[in-house]
Order: sequence, then C-alpha cells, then structure tokens
Amino acid sequence: EAQVTQNPRYLITVTGKKLTVTCSQNMNHEYMSWYRQDPGLGLRQIYYSMNVEVTDKGDVPEGYKVSRKEKRNFPLILESPSPNQTSLYFCASSLTGVREKLFFGSGTQLSVL
Amino acid sequence: ELKVEQNPLFLSMQEGKNYTIYCNYSTTSDRLYWYRQDPGKSLESLFVLLSNGAVKQEGRLMASLDTKARLSTLHITAAVHDLSATYFCAVVLYNNNDMRFGAGTRLTVKP
Repeated sequence: EAQVTQNPRYLITVTGKKLTVTCSQNMNHEYMSWYRQDPGLGLRQIYYSMNVEVTDKGDVPEGYKVSRKEKRNFPLILESPSPNQTSLYFCASSLTGVREKLFFGSGTQLSVL
Repeated sequence: ELKVEQNPLFLSMQEGKNYTIYCNYSTTSDRLYWYRQDPGKSLESLFVLLSNGAVKQEGRLMASLDTKARLSTLHITAAVHDLSATYFCAVVLYNNNDMRFGAGTRLTVKP
C-alpha cells in the first residue's frame, strides 16, 4: 500500500532533549516536506527536499534540521527542543513537488515541557 | 509574498442547510487544492483546481476557482453530519513550487 509513515505518533519530551521524528515513503517520490500545524495558522512549511541530498528551508525552519540521505526517508531533527515547538507535525511527499498531489503522513503530536 | 485567507474559521450549521467556505489569495496562482482533515487525522486531498472557472464536485461538496478575483469557494449542499471536519485550501504560486495553506475552516454539522 502506498503510504507515508511517520513515527512516533505522540511524543512528550523536555526542553533541550534532542529528538528525531522519522518519515518514510514507499512511492519513490522525489519531493518530501515537513509541516507544522498550529491552531488558527493552518500548516506552515518547515523544510522540504526536492531529491536526495537536496534540502531547503520553508517558512519556519528555525530550531529544526533535516537530512535526505536516501530517497525514501526524510527525518526531522530538533536538536534542542523548546516549548514553542509544541505542535502537530506532518510529513508529506509527492512525485516532484507541490504541483503534484501531496500524500500526508498520520502526524506526530509533539509536546515540549 | 503569497498570503491565503480563509473564512470563516469556524462554521456550525444544521443538517440539510447550504453554506460556502471562501479562500482568498494575494498573488497570481495557477493551482489550488482543497483538503479535508478529520479530528486527529491526516489531510486528505479533495480537489485540485487548475484554471479559471474550474469547477469540481464530489457528493455534497463543490469547489470552484476564479483566478481573476483570486478566490476559490467550497460549497456545501444539504450538509450531513459526516461532513464535520476541518477544510483547508492550499494555493500554489504561479509557475513556482511555493505553496501556502489557509488557516482552515472547522465545520460542525449538527442534527
């Protein structure tokens, strides 16, 4: 089944403790992206990747890192999480970019205490 | 900069009634998506609108696009409880790979 898999589904952590949210897709998509969703703000793009080893900042990249070493995986790294990064995070992928249909993961609800 | 304004942000309606959600955007676009999100779930693509005057319909939902007015509408006909969800529009900048989401409209359909 074609899908975007995110893990974990829920995560509670403390300020400053490094964490990684994983994202994997099995559709051989070139484009992958991370969004955060906050009430009243919709989804805002954090980082995106057009292909392996090609990543770029979205609208709200501060405090986040990504890597794209393999086509299927696009992990989101918070080196030193802070409470303002408490949010619902979505990974998404598409064949070539936002001009193609985006497939979203199930989301990761992160709470930073 | 592309800005997307969606309204209303909250919508409570009775079953059987009609209503429209609006999505305005600030710069030229050649592609607009509508997504649905059920509580605690991911986003599901509903429609993609590609040209001025485009209209797409599925069930009780109909989406349209007016590129000259920079406006898309999502019309709900004879609402049913199953349509309760949050609806997002997402606008792609013309000839570009940049996309912005609206803030979302949380729709509640009451019996």
